[in-house]
Amino acid sequence: EAGVTQFPSHSVIEKGQTVTLRCDPISGHDNLYWYRRVMGKEIKFLLHFVKESKQDESGMPNNRFLAERTGGTYSTLKVQPAELEDSGVYFCASSQVLGNEQFFGPGTRLTVL
Amino acid sequence: DQQVKQNSPSLSVQEGRISILNCDYTNSMFDYFLWYKKYPAEGPTFLISISSIKDKNEDGRFTVFLNKSAKHLSLHIVPSQPGDSAVYFCAAHDMRFGAGTRLTVKP
Repeated sequence: EAGVTQFPSHSVIEKGQTVTLRCDPISGHDNLYWYRRVMGKEIKFLLHFVKESKQDESGMPNNRFLAERTGGTYSTLKVQPAELEDSGVYFCASSQVLGNEQFFGPGTRLTVL
Repeated sequence: DQQVKQNSPSLSVQEGRISILNCDYTNSMFDYFLWYKKYPAEGPTFLISISSIKDKNEDGRFTVFLNKSAKHLSLHIVPSQPGDSAVYFCAAHDMRFGAGTRLTVKP
Protein backbone atom coordinates (compact mmCIF):
# COMPACT_ATOMS: atom_id res chain seq x y z
CA GLU A 1 0.00 0.00 0.00
CA ALA A 2 1.41 3.38 -1.00
CA GLY A 3 1.95 5.88 1.78
CA VAL A 4 1.24 9.58 1.83
CA THR A 5 3.17 11.36 -0.88
CA GLN A 6 3.99 15.03 -1.21
CA PHE A 7 5.24 17.09 -4.10
CA PRO A 8 7.62 18.80 -4.45
CA SER A 9 10.11 17.67 -1.85
CA HIS A 10 11.82 21.06 -1.94
CA SER A 11 10.81 24.46 -3.22
CA VAL A 12 12.84 27.64 -3.23
CA ILE A 13 10.98 30.78 -4.25
CA GLU A 14 11.32 34.51 -3.88
CA LYS A 15 9.18 36.64 -1.65
CA GLY A 16 6.00 37.61 -3.43
CA GLN A 17 5.86 34.52 -5.63
CA THR A 18 3.25 31.79 -5.50
CA VAL A 19 3.83 28.17 -4.58
CA THR A 20 1.47 25.22 -4.64
CA LEU A 21 2.16 22.12 -2.58
CA ARG A 22 0.45 18.85 -3.30
CA CYS A 23 -0.45 15.95 -1.06
CA ASP A 24 -1.76 12.54 -2.04
CA PRO A 25 -3.15 10.74 1.00
CA ILE A 26 -3.40 7.02 1.50
CA SER A 27 -6.23 5.69 -0.62
CA GLY A 28 -9.45 5.46 1.35
CA HIS A 29 -8.41 7.90 4.05
CA ASP A 30 -11.12 10.51 4.37
CA ASN A 31 -9.17 12.62 6.85
CA LEU A 32 -6.37 14.77 5.49
CA TYR A 33 -4.30 17.21 7.53
CA TRP A 34 -1.76 19.90 6.75
CA TYR A 35 0.94 20.88 9.23
CA ARG A 36 3.94 23.17 9.21
CA ARG A 37 7.19 22.94 11.14
CA VAL A 38 9.27 26.08 11.31
CA MET A 39 12.94 26.07 12.31
CA GLY A 40 12.83 22.97 14.49
CA LYS A 41 9.83 24.12 16.48
CA GLU A 42 6.61 22.25 17.09
CA ILE A 43 4.64 20.69 14.29
CA LYS A 44 1.84 23.19 13.98
CA PHE A 45 -1.60 22.19 12.76
CA LEU A 46 -2.90 24.15 9.78
CA LEU A 47 -6.11 22.49 8.73
CA HIS A 48 -8.11 19.30 8.47
CA PHE A 49 -10.26 17.98 5.64
CA VAL A 50 -12.88 15.31 5.87
CA LYS A 51 -13.28 14.21 2.30
CA GLU A 52 -13.59 17.47 0.37
CA SER A 53 -14.88 19.55 3.29
CA LYS A 54 -12.76 21.73 5.52
CA GLN A 55 -13.49 20.45 8.99
CA ASP A 56 -11.13 22.73 10.86
CA GLU A 57 -8.98 25.48 9.39
CA SER A 58 -8.23 27.23 12.65
CA GLY A 59 -4.49 26.84 12.18
CA MET A 60 -4.25 28.62 8.84
CA PRO A 61 -2.02 31.64 9.50
CA ASN A 62 -3.72 34.12 7.17
CA ASN A 63 -5.56 34.49 3.90
CA ARG A 64 -2.40 34.08 1.85
CA PHE A 65 -2.85 30.35 2.43
CA LEU A 66 -5.49 28.46 0.48
CA ALA A 67 -6.08 24.73 0.76
CA GLU A 68 -8.30 22.68 -1.45
CA ARG A 69 -9.31 19.06 -1.75
CA THR A 70 -11.54 18.85 -4.75
CA GLY A 71 -13.12 15.44 -5.13
CA GLY A 72 -11.90 14.37 -1.72
CA THR A 73 -8.72 12.78 -2.99
CA TYR A 74 -5.50 14.77 -3.24
CA SER A 75 -5.09 18.17 -1.67
CA THR A 76 -3.21 21.32 -2.58
CA LEU A 77 -1.94 24.09 -0.37
CA LYS A 78 -1.24 27.36 -2.15
CA VAL A 79 0.71 30.21 -0.66
CA GLN A 80 0.18 33.50 -2.49
CA PRO A 81 2.07 35.76 -2.15
CA ALA A 82 4.79 34.00 -0.19
CA GLU A 83 6.55 35.82 2.64
CA LEU A 84 9.87 35.08 4.34
CA GLU A 85 8.16 33.72 7.46
CA ASP A 86 6.39 31.07 5.40
CA SER A 87 9.62 29.10 5.14
CA GLY A 88 9.49 25.73 6.82
CA VAL A 89 8.60 22.12 6.23
CA TYR A 90 5.00 21.47 5.30
CA PHE A 91 3.72 18.04 6.23
CA CYS A 92 0.59 16.35 5.05
CA ALA A 93 -0.96 13.45 6.92
CA SER A 94 -4.00 11.25 6.50
CA SER A 95 -6.00 8.94 8.69
CA GLN A 96 -8.96 6.62 8.41
CA VAL A 97 -10.46 7.58 11.74
CA LEU A 98 -10.42 11.04 13.22
CA GLY A 99 -8.13 11.27 16.24
CA ASN A 100 -6.36 8.00 15.59
CA GLU A 101 -2.85 7.62 14.28
CA GLN A 102 -2.01 9.72 11.30
CA PHE A 103 0.27 8.69 8.48
CA PHE A 104 2.59 11.46 7.46
CA GLY A 105 4.14 12.27 4.16
CA PRO A 106 7.85 13.13 3.88
CA GLY A 107 7.14 16.84 3.83
CA THR A 108 7.86 19.69 1.46
CA ARG A 109 10.67 22.00 2.49
CA LEU A 110 9.74 25.52 1.44
CA THR A 111 12.34 28.25 1.42
CA VAL A 112 11.26 31.81 0.71
CA LEU A 113 14.12 34.14 -0.12
CA ASP B 1 -0.47 29.25 23.12
CA GLN B 2 1.28 25.90 23.21
CA GLN B 3 -0.94 23.38 24.93
CA VAL B 4 1.44 20.46 24.47
CA LYS B 5 4.98 21.02 25.66
CA GLN B 6 8.17 19.06 25.46
CA ASN B 7 10.62 21.02 27.53
CA SER B 8 13.73 19.00 26.76
CA PRO B 9 14.96 19.70 23.25
CA SER B 10 17.49 16.88 23.42
CA LEU B 11 18.42 13.75 25.34
CA SER B 12 21.48 11.54 25.07
CA VAL B 13 21.65 8.02 26.51
CA GLN B 14 23.94 5.03 26.28
CA GLU B 15 22.87 1.99 24.31
CA GLY B 16 21.09 -0.52 26.53
CA ARG B 17 19.98 2.07 29.07
CA ILE B 18 16.52 3.54 29.51
CA SER B 19 15.39 6.65 27.60
CA ILE B 20 12.67 8.73 29.20
CA LEU B 21 11.00 11.40 27.12
CA ASN B 22 8.62 13.78 28.81
CA CYS B 23 5.58 15.73 27.70
CA ASP B 24 3.26 18.12 29.54
CA TYR B 25 -0.14 19.40 28.50
CA THR B 26 -2.40 22.13 29.78
CA ASN B 27 -5.85 21.18 28.55
CA SER B 28 -7.57 18.69 30.85
CA MET B 29 -10.04 17.92 28.06
CA PHE B 30 -7.38 16.09 26.09
CA ASP B 31 -8.22 12.41 26.34
CA TYR B 32 -5.95 10.68 23.87
CA PHE B 33 -2.26 11.11 23.25
CA LEU B 34 0.12 9.85 20.63
CA TRP B 35 3.88 9.65 20.26
CA TYR B 36 5.52 9.99 16.88
CA LYS B 37 9.09 9.38 15.86
CA LYS B 38 10.80 11.35 13.12
CA TYR B 39 14.00 10.61 11.24
CA PRO B 40 15.73 13.36 9.24
CA ALA B 41 14.14 14.15 5.89
CA GLU B 42 11.15 11.93 6.66
CA GLY B 43 7.69 12.60 8.01
CA PRO B 44 6.79 11.56 11.56
CA THR B 45 5.68 7.97 12.05
CA PHE B 46 3.28 6.80 14.68
CA LEU B 47 4.87 4.99 17.60
CA ILE B 48 2.42 4.44 20.45
CA SER B 49 -0.70 6.00 21.94
CA ILE B 50 -2.59 6.12 25.20
CA SER B 51 -6.16 6.87 26.14
CA SER B 52 -6.97 8.82 29.27
CA ILE B 53 -8.83 5.83 30.69
CA LYS B 54 -5.46 4.14 31.09
CA ASP B 55 -2.30 5.17 32.89
CA LYS B 56 0.05 2.91 30.98
CA ASN B 57 0.35 1.37 27.55
CA GLU B 58 3.15 -0.93 26.53
CA ASP B 59 4.35 -2.10 23.13
CA GLY B 60 7.59 -4.01 23.12
CA ARG B 61 10.42 -1.77 24.23
CA PHE B 62 8.13 1.26 24.32
CA THR B 63 5.90 2.19 27.23
CA VAL B 64 3.89 5.36 27.64
CA PHE B 65 2.77 6.50 31.07
CA LEU B 66 0.01 9.03 31.67
CA ASN B 67 -0.43 11.02 34.88
CA LYS B 68 -3.70 12.86 34.45
CA SER B 69 -3.54 14.77 37.71
CA ALA B 70 -0.15 16.17 36.74
CA LYS B 71 -1.11 16.53 33.07
CA HIS B 72 2.08 14.73 32.22
CA LEU B 73 3.01 11.82 30.05
CA SER B 74 6.27 10.10 29.39
CA LEU B 75 7.66 7.67 26.87
CA HIS B 76 10.07 5.03 28.13
CA ILE B 77 12.31 3.13 25.76
CA VAL B 78 14.15 0.21 27.25
CA PRO B 79 16.62 -0.97 26.27
CA SER B 80 17.56 1.95 24.05
CA GLN B 81 19.17 1.14 20.72
CA PRO B 82 21.18 3.34 18.34
CA GLY B 83 18.36 3.01 15.78
CA ASP B 84 16.07 4.78 18.22
CA SER B 85 18.00 7.99 17.61
CA ALA B 86 15.39 10.37 16.20
CA VAL B 87 13.16 13.28 17.16
CA TYR B 88 10.17 12.23 19.24
CA PHE B 89 6.96 14.25 19.22
CA CYS B 90 4.16 14.06 21.71
CA ALA B 91 0.70 14.94 20.35
CA ALA B 92 -2.80 15.31 21.69
CA HIS B 93 -5.74 13.89 19.78
CA ASP B 94 -6.75 17.30 18.46
CA MET B 95 -3.59 17.42 16.42
CA ARG B 96 -1.55 19.63 18.72
CA PHE B 97 2.10 18.61 18.77
CA GLY B 98 4.95 19.39 21.09
CA ALA B 99 8.23 20.82 19.83
CA GLY B 100 9.93 17.45 19.90
CA THR B 101 12.86 15.94 21.77
CA ARG B 102 15.92 14.79 19.85
CA LEU B 103 17.06 11.46 21.28
CA THR B 104 20.61 10.28 20.63
CA VAL B 105 21.49 6.75 21.65
CA LYS B 106 25.24 6.22 21.77
CA PRO B 107 26.70 2.80 21.04
